[in-house]
Amino acid sequence: EPEVTQTPSHQVTQMGQEVILRCVPISNHLYFYWYRQILGQKVEFLVSFYNNEISEKSEIFDDQFSVERPDGSNFTLKIRSTKLEDSAMYFCASQTHNEQFFGPGTRLTVL
Amino acid sequence: AQSVTQLGSHVSVSEGALVLLRCNYSSSVPPYLFWYVQYPNQGLQLLLKYTTGATLVKGINGFEAEFKKSETSFHLTKPSAHMSDAAEYFCAVRQYGNKLVFGAGTILRVKS
Repeated sequence: EPEVTQTPSHQVTQMGQEVILRCVPISNHLYFYWYRQILGQKVEFLVSFYNNEISEKSEIFDDQFSVERPDGSNFTLKIRSTKLEDSAMYFCASQTHNEQFFGPGTRLTVL
Repeated sequence: AQSVTQLGSHVSVSEGALVLLRCNYSSSVPPYLFWYVQYPNQGLQLLLKYTTGATLVKGINGFEAEFKKSETSFHLTKPSAHMSDAAEYFCAVRQYGNKLVFGAGTILRVKS
């Protein structure tokens, strides 16, 4: 069964550093998403992506964040200058019809 | 704005007992509703969804949920809990656009 994959599973970085979180969505899906879950808190929407552009973004998704689909398979989330409060689990999802399929997540730890 | 409230951050049941996890939503238009399950150190897995049609929705692992518009609820049930059901459960709503809005989650503990 096809699945969404994410790498790395865990990323540790120093405050102020750039990180790139990678996702491979399910191949015939057209909508892609990033969500995050700070420890002990709700899963929060960050951004949605369709037809090679952002279709919606949350207030969290400020200028420090960017997304890209550099080729036909990868979907990346870049955080330009990480802050302590960016520490969270980041989930990628892709959608077909009315169902979003989530990847296993990348745990980002900012020190 | 759409929102989801899950009553009870922790629910504990005995193995074989009924599981009831509560979810209420706010919506000005008919919503799409979802239940996801998250096992430790894993991603979110869709249990079931309501879009249109039959209000009683059956999902995987014996779970089901009923959409009650008058009560703005979408409670998740399972007649008989199994040890493997221990996980965190998230209710989510999709209204405008495609983004999901999640509840705070309910951790289900199953006692032997």
